[in-house]
Amino acid sequence: SQELEQSPQSLIVQEGKNLTINCTSSKTLYGLYWYKQKYGEGLIFLMMLQKGGEEKSHEKITAKLDEKKQQSSLHITASQPSHAGIYLCGADTDYGGSQGNLIFGKGTKLSVKP
Amino acid sequence: KAGVTQTPRYLIKTRGQQVTLSCSPISGHRSVSWYQQTPGQGLQFLFEYFSETQRNKGNFPGRFSGRQFSNSRSEMNVSTLELGDSALYLCASSMRTGLSEQFFGPGTRLTVL
Repeated sequence: SQELEQSPQSLIVQEGKNLTINCTSSKTLYGLYWYKQKYGEGLIFLMMLQKGGEEKSHEKITAKLDEKKQQSSLHITASQPSHAGIYLCGADTDYGGSQGNLIFGKGTKLSVKP
Repeated sequence: KAGVTQTPRYLIKTRGQQVTLSCSPISGHRSVSWYQQTPGQGLQFLFEYFSETQRNKGNFPGRFSGRQFSNSRSEMNVSTLELGDSALYLCASSMRTGLSEQFFGPGTRLTVL
């Protein structure tokens, strides 16, 4: 079974609406990354969360880490067409402190209708 | 500051051939990680190099290998290509090993015929 589940798998929202993407782990989270990817291109680093309860924001994107629930959420406020893409979460679930212990979700495809 | 660059961007090979992909990290970054991305398996870790040493290796066969040079540039090699090796290969660099911000390159799209 997938160790890191993202939901929803895809999302279509009207421009200006808020949305939330979730990333749930079957193991304890020691670190959590959020990335955005345009189809067939590299990943753009959004945020890294390391501590339970940690919350970070950048422009209209906010990410939170809930260690107890082994879950992270990514919230976009007042979505814009530029937010469209695939959002990936990556997690360290082995406390290895190494890139090698990162596992990734399958991604959430976001479309924003103008 | 220039980002992570990968060459070539696109590559078409036939089964049985070998291929070498190159990655130049952001200046000052000493860690380079490689990933394979496919529609079925998603993003999977291949290996990480730091200061010319392989620090970690993912669950891939020995046909996949890599190396890092003294200037931190890295190459990965796949020998005896199989159809299933068709994928987007991404490299990422960071200043140090361990949990830290990783910056990804645009990837190399490999198609094996």
